[in-house]
Amino acid sequence: NAGVMQNPRHLVRRRGQEARLRCSPMKGHSHVYWYRQLPEEGLKFMVYLQKENIIDESGMPKERFSAEFPKEGPSILRIQQVVRGDSAAYFCASSLGNQPQHFGDGTRLSIL
Amino acid sequence: QQQVKQSPQSLIVQKGGISIINCAYENTAFDYFPWYQQFPGKGPALLIAIRPDVSEKKEGRFTISFNKSAKQFSLHIMDSQPGDSATYFCAASGLTGGGNKLTFGTGTQLKVEL
Repeated sequence: NAGVMQNPRHLVRRRGQEARLRCSPMKGHSHVYWYRQLPEEGLKFMVYLQKENIIDESGMPKERFSAEFPKEGPSILRIQQVVRGDSAAYFCASSLGNQPQHFGDGTRLSIL
Repeated sequence: QQQVKQSPQSLIVQKGGISIINCAYENTAFDYFPWYQQFPGKGPALLIAIRPDVSEKKEGRFTISFNKSAKQFSLHIMDSQPGDSATYFCAASGLTGGGNKLTFGTGTQLKVEL
């Protein structure tokens, strides 16, 4: 029974490039959450999606960031034109309805 | 605006001792309070959670104490072990139209010494 799978585990991008982070939820889970963790800080909510719908994107920066959770395939967090300040660990969590969230091991994004 | 305040930032406890981490929240709409444990390079793992209709919940060596009137809750780790050394996060959520997105505290780095 696989847990939440995130890939890649580490991603290095140069300023101005695009970063794509993928998240496959636990089997049967239709709710996906993305969080960002800066060094020495707690996790900050970014976006909450259900299949094909964005439910709450109140934590997403207004520009350059987007997320999707298509009917088939993983959820994608996309960051366009990355800047140094985007360097962080990005975690995905999934849940079954209002049940507890289970987290993946994250993608560590480094911007050169 | 930080909605969940966590203390202490770091904690050193002797093996066999009790580790206590405290959190306070502001949003009275919160109705679910989990604690997560995170090891370096890993994602947060759910440890134990409580809802406001009870004042205490115990699972093995881990206990959550909840004070609704004070809007505070705490994690107690009894008989702390070196394997408990990790970062602990409290969190809170409420079903107020935003699903159950979690608001996290800033974390406590626990070190259990032999």
